Amino acid sequence: EIVLTQSPGTLSLSPGEGATLSCRASQSVSSSYLAWYQQKPGQAPRLLIYGASSRATGIPDRFSGSGSGTDFTLTISRLEPEDFAVYYCQHYDSSPITFGQGTRLEI
Amino acid sequence: EVQLVESGGGLIQPGGSLRLSCAASGFTFSSNYMSWVRLPPGKGLEWVSVINSGGTTYYADSVRGRFTISRDNSKNMLYLQMNSLRVEDTAIYYCARGGAVTMVSQNWGQGTLVTVSS
Repeated sequence: EIVLTQSPGTLSLSPGEGATLSCRASQSVSSSYLAWYQQKPGQAPRLLIYGASSRATGIPDRFSGSGSGTDFTLTISRLEPEDFAVYYCQHYDSSPITFGQGTRLEI
Repeated sequence: EVQLVESGGGLIQPGGSLRLSCAASGFTFSSNYMSWVRLPPGKGLEWVSVINSGGTTYYADSVRGRFTISRDNSKNMLYLQMNSLRVEDTAIYYCARGGAVTMVSQNWGQGTLVTVSS
């Protein structure tokens, strides 16, 4: 099983600032199969990034993903008030699919 | 527009059974991977199970042998039969649409709450 470790656990920033979220895998993940999701309280998760760096439909270009092997990054430039949420990375190339424990992005 | 609507959640005693349903519309259901993912209270997302278009199934270790995922392509329905429920199965359960080739969860339902408690 691939264990995904996200850091930091909580990130406190202000609107207009940039955010860098990290996801480290216990073994190499094919970059075609690493995704990032956003979840706000009381809402379903939303796919942001798939294939490590491809934005999902309708996702603003201030969200970008990068990385390969065991180290992946989600970058959010110019934070908007609606970006404050919990972010999860996920690998989905094989079973068992796993999620990171999440990074809470707060004001 | 893709729509996924879960139902079947509720309060159940430990050891009991429950079947969740997910009604899908707005896409070619039979062609896609479909998954169940849960969110326990105060915790992070946990993958539960996935089924591919051909009916092959995969499970998390925590539910294997107790939960069964299935699909009815004629009705555009996804199911999760949950037996021998435990307190730690308490969570919001989400149905998610995968791709035709990959298991990435592109669309999600609003979730249904399962509470296992005596």
